[in-house]
This record gives sequence, structure tokens and C-alpha cells, in this order.
Amino acid sequence: SQQGEEDPQALSIQEGENATMNCSYKTSINNLQWYRQNSGRGLVHLILIRSNEREKHSGRLRVTLDTSKKSSSLLITASRAADTASYFCASGARDDKIIFGKGTRLHILP
Amino acid sequence: NAGVTQTPKFQVLKTGQSMTLQCAQDMNHEYMSWYRQDPGMGLRLIHYSVGAGITDQGEVPNGYNVSRSTTEDFPLRLLSAAPSQTSVYFCASSYDSDYGYTFGSGTRLTVV
Repeated sequence: SQQGEEDPQALSIQEGENATMNCSYKTSINNLQWYRQNSGRGLVHLILIRSNEREKHSGRLRVTLDTSKKSSSLLITASRAADTASYFCASGARDDKIIFGKGTRLHILP
Repeated sequence: NAGVTQTPKFQVLKTGQSMTLQCAQDMNHEYMSWYRQDPGMGLRLIHYSVGAGITDQGEVPNGYNVSRSTTEDFPLRLLSAAPSQTSVYFCASSYDSDYGYTFGSGTRLTVV
């Protein structure tokens, strides 16, 4: 079964608002990664947080990791129309597998 | 750098046919993986490799073979295509499991 499960499955917010997506995973990990996929395209790596880190920032992105709850969150601040995409978490397990969740579809409304 | 190159971009197969999806990267990445993406299912790992000569099974390996004779190439072979293998296939590569993957643009496969 898949490691990562995102919540919510779909999210619509107004441009300028913040978007938060959550991810849960099942077993011990080395890292947790977030990717974006625009419609019909390949995935683009956004940010990686290692298991010994609790929070990481990259531009308008903020990722948190709580290994005790086996969960992570991705916050996109001041959303823009160009942020409309699907977002996936992927858990980097200790057996070198990178396992993806089913994704969150984010729609930014003008 | 071309990144990760997948060929072909589109393919239609008849049930029972075999074919090879090609994946090549020019970034000297050790790690390479194949995923399939189906509506509502996210990406599922088919096979992966941590270096030339080393491959291992992912979540959904049945019906697929891989080999890794060079660092650059990681072809995925469909042995006898079935309609259930209709999907979009992505190849990805990375320096190792502690770095993010670079993805190819995908191969859209239809089995009729």
C-alpha cells in the first residue's frame, strides 16, 4: 500500500490566501519530499525535509515534519494563479524506495 | 543538460504485444525509478535501481521487467501488454535517496 496519503484531496482558495496540505505516512522514513505537477506534465521537486528536521522554508513554501505523528504539512503562502496544480508528498524510506501519495489538487480562484 | 529523457511520448499497443519504454539521464544520477500514474491513484512505484547492475521491485512490479547496464539508461519492458497497463509512465532519477527526483515528461501508453 502507498506510504503517503494527502489531505485534502482537493482544495480551492482565493488568490492571495494561504494553502495548507497535509500528508501522512506509515513507516519510518529518511526524508519526506513534496512535488508539484501541472496538468499533463511531469512532476517537479519542490522541497525535501529530512527525518531529523522539523521545519524547512523555500520561498513561499513552508514544510513541517512530525515524525511522532508520521505526518507532514506543506504551506503555500500568498497563493497565485500559477500555483494551481496537483501536489504530492513522497516518503523516502530506509530501503531506498520513494513512495508517493495520491495527491492534493489545488485550484487558485481569481 | 537534457535531464531525463523518455521515449516514446505516446504509444498504442495491442493486448499481448511487448515493448520497451526508454529512459535516459545525463546527470550522472545513481538512483532511477519507474512509476505509473493512474487517475485517482497517484504515482505507484514499479521498479527502481540504486546503481548500474542493481534493480529491485517496487509496489506494482508484475508484468514489467527492468535492467540497468549503464548509469545513464533504465529501460522498462512490458512483457505481454494488458489493458490494465494503460497508464502514464514516468521515469525519474536522483543522486541518491536523500535528494529530490528529476522526472521525465512521461510516456502515455494505451493498450487495446
